[in-house]
Amino acid sequence: KAGVTQTPRYLIKTRGQQVTLSCSPISGHRSVSWYQQTPGQGLQFLFEYFSETQRNKGNFPGRFSGRQFSNSRSEMNVSTLELGDSALYLCASSLYSGQGNEQFFGPGTRLTVL
Amino acid sequence: AQTVTQSQPEMSVQEAETVTLSCTYDTSESNYYLFWYKQPPSRQMILVIRQEAYKQQNATENRFSVNFQKAAKSFSLKISDSQLGDTAMYFCAFIYYGQNFVFGPGTRLSVLP
Repeated sequence: KAGVTQTPRYLIKTRGQQVTLSCSPISGHRSVSWYQQTPGQGLQFLFEYFSETQRNKGNFPGRFSGRQFSNSRSEMNVSTLELGDSALYLCASSLYSGQGNEQFFGPGTRLTVL
Repeated sequence: AQTVTQSQPEMSVQEAETVTLSCTYDTSESNYYLFWYKQPPSRQMILVIRQEAYKQQNATENRFSVNFQKAAKSFSLKISDSQLGDTAMYFCAFIYYGQNFVFGPGTRLSVLP
């Protein structure tokens, strides 16, 4: 089975712009979670989608949004980018939501905001 | 809120020796799952080991084993016969039914030749 893929792998944007990141889960996985990873804050949970519905949401401003499509692929959008949004954004998929299943991580998208 | 603490930001170990990484967590739940994930430099995060809280037996995966102390809310990872490829960030994580994963801040492990 192919692993979790994320596109693009690297992205450079300027303050005020918006960005969309994409995640394709492992085939058959219906849950997709997004995390922001920074050296200072570690792994911070953004949100989780399961069967096209947002199941959980972390403590991030409304500039961060996401969605999931019927094929389980997910996108994450960040509007009005700030310098502090520079981070590695990780996507993880699992078979089900919140049942202790292993999460499989993608390689991440490294976003740099100038 | 559930929290996960890893008190050792950085550790090092000589190749072929044994090292233990600490993790404590805070929860009022009784049924939950604990994980150790490994993130090698510039590589994807992968699962090292998984423990179900209702199982008293400690999980093992080859050179990796855990010491799960439910009453103490402690979940340490022991790596035996350390190899250079074990150099990575190690994250302890917790989840209970219906909720999202909560990760610890990570421990950076360096295996020295």
